[in-house]
Amino acid sequence: NAGVTQTPKFRILKIGQSMTLQCTQDMNHNYMYWYRQDPGMGLKLIYYSVGAGITDKGEVPNGYNVSRSTTEDFPLRLELAAPSQTSVYFCASSYSSVYYEQYFGPGTRLTVT
Amino acid sequence: GENVEQHPSTLSVQEGDSAVIKCTYSDSASNYFPWYKQELGKRPQLIIDIRSNVGEKKDQRIAVTLNKTAKHFSLHITETQPEDSAVYFCAARDSGGSNYKLTFGKGTLLTVNP
Repeated sequence: NAGVTQTPKFRILKIGQSMTLQCTQDMNHNYMYWYRQDPGMGLKLIYYSVGAGITDKGEVPNGYNVSRSTTEDFPLRLELAAPSQTSVYFCASSYSSVYYEQYFGPGTRLTVT
Repeated sequence: GENVEQHPSTLSVQEGDSAVIKCTYSDSASNYFPWYKQELGKRPQLIIDIRSNVGEKKDQRIAVTLNKTAKHFSLHITETQPEDSAVYFCAARDSGGSNYKLTFGKGTLLTVNP
């Protein structure tokens, strides 16, 4: 199993541009999450999904959108990028509400200038 | 929602010494408390976790203790080694309808000096 994979690893965006961060897991996990990690800070939840077709906002959803058309994929869309979205983005997954452990992807380092 | 406070934010120890990181949480119904280790430029990885029906759990040189009454839990690392140097995050599982979400502390940068 590859686990949780993310693409791209690095990206530089100009203000106002848009992009999609890709996340895929091959563990048949039902729950998937997007976090952002700013320097010296913990992980803040952006969006999460409890299954295909079901998504909900986390702590910091403004400026982002998600979709979950399959169990495996959970892309994060940034519209009209702003410097405040410069961060490291981690995707994570967990099997169920009983088996809680969250497995993280390698992250995407995004810079908006 | 849940609130998790983590202390200290930085910790420096000599190789072979013990290190202790403490976290407090606000939701008395939280029942799962994981600890993640994140090396520089890498992803967070689970190193140990504890559920609310247990007071202590050990795995070789690391242990976690939970005090439900005081709503705090701690990570203990004994015989520290340079490879233990990393950022450590605690987290608490939200209760009720949001019980698939974790709330994370802000992290502790542990430096183990040879």
